[in-house]
Amino acid sequence: AQTVTQSQPEMSVQEAETVTLSCTYDTSESDYYLFWYKQPPSRQMILVIRQEAYKQQNATENRFSVNFQKAAKSFSLKISDSQLGDAAMYFCAYNQGGGGADGLTFGKGTHLIIQP
Amino acid sequence: EAGVTQSPTHLIKTRGQQATLRCSPISGHTSVYWYQQALGLGLQFLLWYDEGEERNRGNFPPRFSGRQFPNYSSELNVNALELEDSALYLCASSRKLAGVRETQYFGPGTRLLVL
Repeated sequence: AQTVTQSQPEMSVQEAETVTLSCTYDTSESDYYLFWYKQPPSRQMILVIRQEAYKQQNATENRFSVNFQKAAKSFSLKISDSQLGDAAMYFCAYNQGGGGADGLTFGKGTHLIIQP
Repeated sequence: EAGVTQSPTHLIKTRGQQATLRCSPISGHTSVYWYQQALGLGLQFLLWYDEGEERNRGNFPPRFSGRQFPNYSSELNVNALELEDSALYLCASSRKLAGVRETQYFGPGTRLLVL
């Protein structure tokens, strides 16, 4: 079974600085997808970024980028120029590729605090 | 484009009752997923429906069931409610493109409280 581990229960960063959230995963599959979702206090789960395992290039979405190390099974999220609106729980998630037979497997989450 | 919608936003039930939660996917999405987010247990996959059929379920007892309607909306039923069923229930939808299941997009959730 796949597992996703987020080792940082909570992170704090000053507004406008850069922060990196860690995620490691374990799978025997070669075709899969990795995601970072953000859950603000409103509880709505919002997609931040997605990475296909077959792509070597790291995904980027504006201020959000990932460092995908397939051999090390590591998938960290870097948030540049942190803003107050970035404060939320961040979940790393894994999904098997192809037909997607399973639901997402989530990590326990990292609570990100933005200090003004 | 409208996102995933869920109803009700909050639901209060007593132990032993049944709860019904509803989800409408994004237009064009044929798959609906249900997740439970309980305090201390994190997000756990419950059920996956695709084109009207249950395709997979997580490690939950049979009293968690549901269905998907011809318009791809879905219903989650929880029978014989227990206190531990109190949680946020999230619905997500996705589409299939060229045989590949795409990203799941989530609704705002239904908070179920069992007293």
